[in-house]
Amino acid sequence: DSGVTQTPKHLITATGQRVTLRCSPRSGDLSVYWYQQSLDQGLQFLIQYYNGEERAKGNILERFSAQQFPDLHSELNLSSLELGDSALYFCASSPSFAASGHSPLHFGNGTRLTVT
Amino acid sequence: KNQVEQSPQSLIILEGKNCTLQCNYTVSPFSNLRWYKQDTGRGPVSLTIMTFSENTKSNGRYTATLDADTKQSSLHITASQLSDSASYICVVRLISSGSARQLTFGSGTQLTVLP
Repeated sequence: DSGVTQTPKHLITATGQRVTLRCSPRSGDLSVYWYQQSLDQGLQFLIQYYNGEERAKGNILERFSAQQFPDLHSELNLSSLELGDSALYFCASSPSFAASGHSPLHFGNGTRLTVT
Repeated sequence: KNQVEQSPQSLIILEGKNCTLQCNYTVSPFSNLRWYKQDTGRGPVSLTIMTFSENTKSNGRYTATLDADTKQSSLHITASQLSDSASYICVVRLISSGSARQLTFGSGTQLTVLP
């Protein structure tokens, strides 16, 4: 068990809708990262938060947004959903803002989003 | 452009056999390289980390090698087990002030171990 909790595990919704994915990092970790993994694709970095502040942005669409709350949990909001947004969304955490360094990222088990 | 290429894309072996997965990178300046194992439907889990000065590191039946001159790494799995069936992902980190942008992920090698 990585200690990173993601909810829900599965989400099925229709095009045009909005969903919120939730992540609780490992106890003591201040950084949260969001990744998207489409079918048979590698992990694509979306966004990183450190102690409540946005730290880095990757290939995140304007329809997507995220935030990290004072208790360090994070939410990823996906709006105006399209069929191509169907994917596994992973959250990871690490102790510091320096991604990985000599500490690995600890990943949750993901939220599988299906847009119909 | 910083890239990480893994080969083969997929591999099928029989239980008990050995296999080697490859990772070539163009990431520079290089900080470290990490191998993750991702079981189907689960998040990746770190297997081992290789820094610039390390050539070989073992973790049980997993042995990683690094040639920083040729920018190549390999992951060797000995006496494979059914539970080794997973995607193996190579991730390279840049030397920098630090952020998730400094991690470059490979697309992974999908290993299937058959009984």
